[in-house]
Amino acid sequence: GAVVSQHPSRVICKSGTSVKIECRSLDFQATTMFWYRQFPKKSLMLMATSNEGSKATYEQGVEKDKFLINHASLTLSTLTVTSAHPEDSSFYICSAPLAAETQYFGPGTRLLVL
Amino acid sequence: AQSVTQPDIHITVSEGASLELRCNYSYGATPYLFWYVQSPGQGLQLLLKYFSGDTLVQGIKGFEAEFKRSQSSFNLRKPSVHWSDAAEYFCAVGWKTSYDKVIFGPGTSLSVIP
Repeated sequence: GAVVSQHPSRVICKSGTSVKIECRSLDFQATTMFWYRQFPKKSLMLMATSNEGSKATYEQGVEKDKFLINHASLTLSTLTVTSAHPEDSSFYICSAPLAAETQYFGPGTRLLVL
Repeated sequence: AQSVTQPDIHITVSEGASLELRCNYSYGATPYLFWYVQSPGQGLQLLLKYFSGDTLVQGIKGFEAEFKRSQSSFNLRKPSVHWSDAAEYFCAVGWKTSYDKVIFGPGTSLSVIP
């Protein structure tokens, strides 16, 4: 079946640094990818829609300057958490639709900001 | 605005007992409906989905769900729960926009008593 990977699986960084998370569709092309954030014991919150070749679309309340999204190719989207702070610590999950109504989720990236 | 609710934050059942997890959505048209399961430290796994047609859908691991348009509900059921079913369950709703966006409910945590 279709596979979506994320790298790294977990990252620890110092406050004030920037962290890049990659999301790749391994065996299919995705013009659209989605980024979610999940707090401990909470649901997934849709952060933004990543669009290949154009700007990302952010959900209400998500800071676009804090969470930079680049959809560089049909198989790669990156999420960069800029000037990370401890409150940015979370579990970040990406997804990509293979066909209509079918989303494939990555395994997630756990970010810890010290 | 579109929304998904799961009224039960946490449910505990005995192994072998039946299970029903509730999900309600708010949207004008018929959405696409999903149930996902997330085990501790694991990624999301799709249990089943509804797009159209038969309102009773069968999924993996013995789960089924029934779409009831009149109640805007998509409840998940299993006739006999196994200890390995203990996990977090998320109902999700998708809409056929150009983005194939999916929004998740708050989740129901299932505990299974031996």
